[in-house]
Amino acid sequence: GNSVTQMEGPVTLSEEAFLTINCTYTATGYPSLFWYVQYPGEGLQLLLKATKADDKGSNKGFEATYRKETTSFHLEKGSVQVSDSAVYFCALTPGNTPLVFGKGTRLSVIA
Amino acid sequence: EAEVAQSPRYKITEKSQAVAFWCDPISGHATLYWYRQILGQGPELLVQFQDESVVDDSQLPKDRFSAERLKGVDSTLKIQPAELGDSAMYLCASSEQGAGEKLFFGSGTQLSVL
Repeated sequence: GNSVTQMEGPVTLSEEAFLTINCTYTATGYPSLFWYVQYPGEGLQLLLKATKADDKGSNKGFEATYRKETTSFHLEKGSVQVSDSAVYFCALTPGNTPLVFGKGTRLSVIA
Repeated sequence: EAEVAQSPRYKITEKSQAVAFWCDPISGHATLYWYRQILGQGPELLVQFQDESVVDDSQLPKDRFSAERLKGVDSTLKIQPAELGDSAMYLCASSEQGAGEKLFFGSGTQLSVL
């Protein structure tokens, strides 16, 4: 079946540190891949996406590259800010089916 | 920017009682989803609507859960009777067309069953 595995959290970083949140997937065919973010007290919102191999999604300084050979879609940011503190969810859809989410990774950034 | 509206924001109920959640998707969005998010887990799909029709309810516990979207606009999710294990965040999301499109989520309804 389709599934997403994310690194366990919580992740605690100092401001301006480099961030990596690992995500690997199992899917039939060629899924589209997503990162969603959930800020405290808010709903999930799309952060970035990639729809085919070697695509790079980017938004708000975050990046993730669709790696078919390693079935991965790791989220990275070069310099995190306190305002990036949130829960990050990796997700996929093989095409015509609803999103399947990972368990989420909580990020806390301290000043 | 248009938002997905959900109510209530919080709901506390006793087990065996009935509860209902309401969702109003972004205007014009044909596809509506209900997800359940247990603390520390990712959202899991309960039901997907395309207009007023159910597309996928394979993960909906139909002995106690029901969902409807009568006019293809807003939707109601009901639990009767509620059980302790139903305590979770219930999220509604919508998209313009089908799966694979960008989803817009509401803020959710946090259910606590005592």
